[in-house]
Amino acid sequence: NAGVTQTPKFQVLKTGQSMTLQCAQDMNHEYMSWYRQDPGMGLRLIHYSVGAGITDQGEVPNGYNVSRSTTEDFPLRLLSAAPSQTSVYFCASSYGPTGPQHFGDGTRLSIL
Amino acid sequence: GESVGLHLPTLSVQEGDNSIINCAYSNSASDYFIWYKQESGKGPQFIIDIRSNMDKRQGQRVTVLLNKTVKHLSLQIAATQPGDSAVYFCAENNAGNMLTFGGGTRLMVKP
Repeated sequence: NAGVTQTPKFQVLKTGQSMTLQCAQDMNHEYMSWYRQDPGMGLRLIHYSVGAGITDQGEVPNGYNVSRSTTEDFPLRLLSAAPSQTSVYFCASSYGPTGPQHFGDGTRLSIL
Repeated sequence: GESVGLHLPTLSVQEGDNSIINCAYSNSASDYFIWYKQESGKGPQFIIDIRSNMDKRQGQRVTVLLNKTVKHLSLQIAATQPGDSAVYFCAENNAGNMLTFGGGTRLMVKP
């Protein structure tokens, strides 16, 4: 049972480039979410989804897009990377928002 | 806006002692709380949760206490071990679809 799988683990981008961070879960969880974690800080919610075809904004959605075409996958897209988006990105899933969320091991993203 | 915060950024304890990590929350409508442990280079790992209709919940070597009167949450770790060294986060859900995380407390266990 793989749990929540994030790819890539590391990525370096130039300002203005776009990319997609992948997240997949094999637990049949309806709820999935993306967070960013900046050094020495807690996690901030970017976007979340309560099920396939449904997404919504979190606390810091600007500069990011998401889609949820299947229950398993929840990719996060950076449209035009900016240095302020340098961070560690975590994907999580759970049966619902009021239940323990299972996290992936993160994608460490640096934007030059 | 509403926030979840921690009193102590770093807690250092002797191996074998009990640890207490505190968290204050400001949203009185929050009805679900979670504690996570995060080791270096890894994602947060669920430790224990509690709903607002409870004051206390126990797990294996861990206890979470919820004081709704003063909006305070604590995580107690019994017989702290070197493997408990990590950053601990509290998080709250205020009956919506979003989880709000606190800033984290680093627990250091001295051998």
